[in-house]
Amino acid sequence: EADIYQTPRYLVIGTGKKITLECSQTMGHDKMYWYQQDPGMELHLIHYSYGVNSTEKGDLSSESTVSRIRTEHFPLTLESARPSHTSQYLCASSEPGQGATEAFFGQGTRLTVV
Amino acid sequence: AQSVSQHNHHVILSEAASLELGCNYSYGGTVNLFWYVQYPGQHLQLLLKYFSGDPLVKGIKGFEAEFIKSKFSFNLRKPSVQWSDTAEYFCAVITKAAGNKLTFGGGTRVLVKP
Repeated sequence: EADIYQTPRYLVIGTGKKITLECSQTMGHDKMYWYQQDPGMELHLIHYSYGVNSTEKGDLSSESTVSRIRTEHFPLTLESARPSHTSQYLCASSEPGQGATEAFFGQGTRLTVV
Repeated sequence: AQSVSQHNHHVILSEAASLELGCNYSYGGTVNLFWYVQYPGQHLQLLLKYFSGDPLVKGIKGFEAEFIKSKFSFNLRKPSVQWSDTAEYFCAVITKAAGNKLTFGGGTRVLVKP
């Protein structure tokens, strides 16, 4: 079944650690996104990609980085986690095109930095 | 830059009441508009979308939305809500001029009392 997967679902980690949040989709979508969402707050776009080797920063400045070496994989990395990075991170993908293409979301990774 | 505003942060209503959630966007050009829903503990799902044609769009679970270009609005409605409609609702927009990025509003948390 085509889907989008995020791992881990929950992560508690100490300050200064390097972490990578995984996101994979099996739908062959070219466009992928990372959003940051604090509890009860709006979704902020932090990274997006139009395809392999394409990455762009989103509307909200983030200390994280992303890579897109394969179509199906769009990992997000924090080199040195801080408590201010505590949030929920949502990955999404959609087909390219100018029409109203639907974005499919993963279940999110809830990150807590202590 | 494109932006999306949802005026109600929290809505509480009883079963069988009618629901209307406001959404306004800032961009005046061609837009693609979406409503997403996030049920407790679940990932974001598409309720409905608009990109052209009939401005009254019908979605899943009895929801509909009306695109009013002159008001830059895309309000979501449901004539009679159920307890299972308790969720957070997000309006989102894509514009070509903004690089086809999917931008979300702040969300409206809806609580339906049984």
